[in-house]
Amino acid sequence: DGGITQSPKYLFRKEGQNVTLSCEQNLNHDAMYWYRQDPGQGLRLIYYSQIVNDFQKGDIAEGYSVSREKKESFPLTVTSAQKNPTAFYLCASSPDRELTEAFFGQGTRLTVV
Amino acid sequence: AQSVTQLDSQVPVFEEAPVELRCNYSSSVSVYLFWYVQYPNQGLQLLLKYLSGSTLVKGINGFEAEFNKSQTSFHLRKPSVHISDTAEYFCAVRIYGNKLVFGAGTILRVKS
Repeated sequence: DGGITQSPKYLFRKEGQNVTLSCEQNLNHDAMYWYRQDPGQGLRLIYYSQIVNDFQKGDIAEGYSVSREKKESFPLTVTSAQKNPTAFYLCASSPDRELTEAFFGQGTRLTVV
Repeated sequence: AQSVTQLDSQVPVFEEAPVELRCNYSSSVSVYLFWYVQYPNQGLQLLLKYLSGSTLVKGINGFEAEFNKSQTSFHLRKPSVHISDTAEYFCAVRIYGNKLVFGAGTILRVKS
């Protein structure tokens, strides 16, 4: 059953700790994306990768880091430098660089206390 | 900068009534346009998309949208809504650099 798997669904962390969110896809898609969602603000792009071992900053990359060592995996690390990390994080992938369609995972809700 | 404006943050409507969710975008070049639906605490599901061709696009669950290039709009419509259509709807535009820009979302509340 093909799709995008984000884990965990809910994550709680103490302030000042780094945390890594997992995103795995078995769709054989080249491009992958991380978005942050806050109420009333839509989705904002954090990082994206169009090929293995390459990635670019999105609009709100400060305080985040990513890696793309394998085609199917695109983990996101929320670092202690991110001033307001509590949010809903969505991972997506696209079958082509033209972005004719994006498929989304079920999201991870991160709460920092 | 490219932007997407969803003109209504919330739209209340009675069951079986028609609904229109409005979306305007700013772009001077050709774009791809999308509508997604999100149920609480879930990811986004594609409703429909416009890449080229016919300006009237039909999607899943009885939704359709019309691309209007002169007005830079891509409004979403459904002739008769159900309680199960209650969700948040996002309009998105693919811009140069192959990135998706999203609107702030419209919450559709269907009342019985």
